[in-house]
Amino acid sequence: DAMVIQNPRYQVTQFGKPVTLSCSQTLNHNVMYWYQQKSSQAPKLLFHYYDKDFNNEADTPDNFQSRRPNTSFCFLDIRSPGLGDAAMYLCATSRENGGDDTQYFGPGTRLTVL
Amino acid sequence: SQKIEQNSEALNIQEGKTATLTCNYTNYSPAYLQWYRQDPGRGPVFLLLIRENEKEKRKERLKVTFDTTLKQSLFHITASQPADSATYLCALENTDKLIFGTGTRLQVFP
Repeated sequence: DAMVIQNPRYQVTQFGKPVTLSCSQTLNHNVMYWYQQKSSQAPKLLFHYYDKDFNNEADTPDNFQSRRPNTSFCFLDIRSPGLGDAAMYLCATSRENGGDDTQYFGPGTRLTVL
Repeated sequence: SQKIEQNSEALNIQEGKTATLTCNYTNYSPAYLQWYRQDPGRGPVFLLLIRENEKEKRKERLKVTFDTTLKQSLFHITASQPADSATYLCALENTDKLIFGTGTRLQVFP
């Protein structure tokens, strides 16, 4: 089945130790998104790629970076995780860039920072 | 300031009844509004999309309304079942991106 896959499902890291989360998709969608979701809060968009074009949200900290080496894969790098970065990280895809396009989410990666 | 409000308190209803969830927004003018379901520890799953020129949209037991004058969308689940228990998120289109609400947790008990 076509889907959005995130690895790992659970990630534990130490304060300040870089971590990379990965997302892959078999939908061949143009757009890939990274959201951060803390407990009982709304998913917050960090950035998205339309094909190779990177779009950063204005309030996304510099500590968060992303790479999209090809259509299928997208990575979220957290350079120096702080305790406040503990959250669920959701990857999503959509065919096109627009509010009328459905977003398909992966299962998420739960990040714990010790 | 821009705001999306969904009832933060859980909605508890009995099986078979109709659940109605509310999404209110201020200082947005979305052309589209979407509803997603999110189960604990999982990613959101798309349910319905409604356009600003549509008053109502239905899909099986689900119904969404969109009132751009009131700046409100209502999400209804008829003949609710315990399997409908989840958090339901509304999401507004804003400059080609989706802005999500915090969601309302629905608990359907037998």
